[in-house]
Amino acid sequence: NAGVTQTPKFRVLKTGQSMTLLCAQDMNHEYMYWYRQDPGMGLRLIHYSVGEGTTAKGEVPDGYNVSRLKKQNFLLGLESAAPSQTSVYFCASRLGTGPYEQYFGPGTRLTVT
Amino acid sequence: GQQLNQSPQSMFIQEGEDVSMNCTSSSIFNTWLWYKQDPGEGPVLLIALYKAGELTSNGRLTAQFGITRKDSFLNISASIPSDVGIYFCAGQLSGNTPLVFGKGTRLSVIA
Repeated sequence: NAGVTQTPKFRVLKTGQSMTLLCAQDMNHEYMYWYRQDPGMGLRLIHYSVGEGTTAKGEVPDGYNVSRLKKQNFLLGLESAAPSQTSVYFCASRLGTGPYEQYFGPGTRLTVT
Repeated sequence: GQQLNQSPQSMFIQEGEDVSMNCTSSSIFNTWLWYKQDPGEGPVLLIALYKAGELTSNGRLTAQFGITRKDSFLNISASIPSDVGIYFCAGQLSGNTPLVFGKGTRLSVIA
């Protein structure tokens, strides 16, 4: 039982390049989330999903797209990376019902030059 | 949107001291969660609170759900060096709404 895993751990992009971050969970969780963490800003929600095939915008969705084609995976895409998207990205998941405890992955550190 | 005010922003304490931090909101929440983040890692859940007035412990950690439902407190007793990290509070109104996070309290422990 690996919990929540994220791929890759680190990435450097040039401005305008695209990439996809992968989040996978093996806990059969319904809800999945993508956050970004910047110094002094805490965790800010980018997009989330309440089930396979669904997505919704969070607090800072601009410049990002997401897809949840399979229950266990939640993909975060950057179509045209900008330096302002330099951040640490965390994925999280939780059961859809019952306890609202949310579990985080180890993070992806992205630098856009 | 909803915001959580977490204080203090940072604190330096001597090993063995007790620590208190809190989180306040302008609106009510029905769930409060406390997380700890070690450097280079993702946040790890410490304590979950589901009922106003609830007091829950996890080892040396004790958290309380304020009776107004607009605040929560975390205490750490007899701090040790491995308590170093950033502590986040998070509130949730209902199961369908995302968590709202505070900006964190950065704890440093001086041996």
